[in-house]
Formats: sequence, C-alpha cells, structure tokens
Amino acid sequence: AQSVTQPDIHITVSEGASLELRCNYSYGATPYLFWYVQSPGQGLQLLLKYFSGDTLVQGIKGFEAEFKRSQSSFNLRKPSVHWSDAAEYFCAVGAGDYKLSFGAGTTVTVRA
Amino acid sequence: KAGVTQTPRYLIKTRGQQVTLSCSPISGHRSVSWYQQTPGQGLQFLFEYFSETQRNKGNFPGRFSGRQFSNSRSEMNVSTLELGDSALYLCASSWEGEAYEQYFGPGTRLTVT
Repeated sequence: AQSVTQPDIHITVSEGASLELRCNYSYGATPYLFWYVQSPGQGLQLLLKYFSGDTLVQGIKGFEAEFKRSQSSFNLRKPSVHWSDAAEYFCAVGAGDYKLSFGAGTTVTVRA
Repeated sequence: KAGVTQTPRYLIKTRGQQVTLSCSPISGHRSVSWYQQTPGQGLQFLFEYFSETQRNKGNFPGRFSGRQFSNSRSEMNVSTLELGDSALYLCASSWEGEAYEQYFGPGTRLTVT
C-alpha cells in the first residue's frame, strides 16, 4: 500500500522568507501527486498537482513543487511567504484505486 | 461554478444515535469521495462513489455507510455513534476522467457526546 510522509510537523518562517515543505511517498510506480492547504475550520484547497511531464509544476498562490523520481519526493516551495500562507499543508498521493492517501500535514506559522 | 457543498456544517449527537451527512458535488462531477479528519489519525479515506457505485472503501467498520444518487449527490451515514466518531467529515468531488484531482467541501464537524 502507498504511504506518504511529511517529515516536518511544524515549520515557522518569517514573512518574506522562502518556504519549503517536504513530502516523500512510497509507491511502486509514479503516482498522482498533490498538495492541498487547509486553513482553520475550512476544507482542503488544491494548490497544485503532478500527473506526468515537466517535473516542476506551478500552482496557485505562488506555490510550486518539484517531483524527483529518484528520491520519491514532491517538495512544495514558495519564494516569499505572506502572513496569509499560515495554514496546514497536506501532501497526497493517488495510486489508481480511486482514493487519495494523505500525509500527516505540516503546520506553517508565519512570523512578522 | 459553485463548489462542493456539505450540510449540515455542524452537528452534535449523542452516543448510540445515528447521523446522515449530505454532499453536493461540483456540477458535472460524477465521483464523490468521503474522508474523516481527526487530530490523532489525520485524513482517512472512507469511500468513493461513481455513478451510484461504490468503487472503493476504506478501513472503517460497517457502521459507516454511504450512497450516491443519480444526480451525483451523496450521503454518508454513521449508525450507533461512538465518541471516537467525533471528527471533521470531508466530501470531495472530481471529474470522471481525473478521478484523483479532488475538490473538497468545507466539511461537517460532528461532535458525539
């Protein structure tokens, strides 16, 4: 069965600094890969997805992610963080069985 | 285009009762999935429906059930509620051809007392 690991439970970053959130997955083939963001009391919003092709994908809100097959990773990045980026971020994997498997999430705190 | 809607948004029930949650997908989406989110277990897959057929089910007891109607709207039911069923229940919908690009609703917060 596939699994998703987000090694960082909590990250604190200064406003204007860069952000990188890590995601590793375990699956025999290349799965479908996603990053979602959840603000308190809200549902999940899709930031970006990777299905195939270019390994650097652009998403909404200035986020991008890079798929690295050799490392089974799909890390999320943002060059300059805004206070509104404070939220919980989830990496997810779809592996051909009509469901998503999610990582445990990384909470991002933005300090002024 | 309207997003995924879930009703009710908040619900308080007593142990032993049953509850039904409703989800209306984005117009044109035929796949509906349900997830349970708790602080301890994170996001866990409950089931997925497509054209009124359940295509996959997560590792939950039989007290958790669901269905999908011909208009793609879906309901999930939890019978004989337990304290541990307190959670945020999220519904997600997707296009037929991109079953994994799922768009989530705001969730139903269920509290069991």
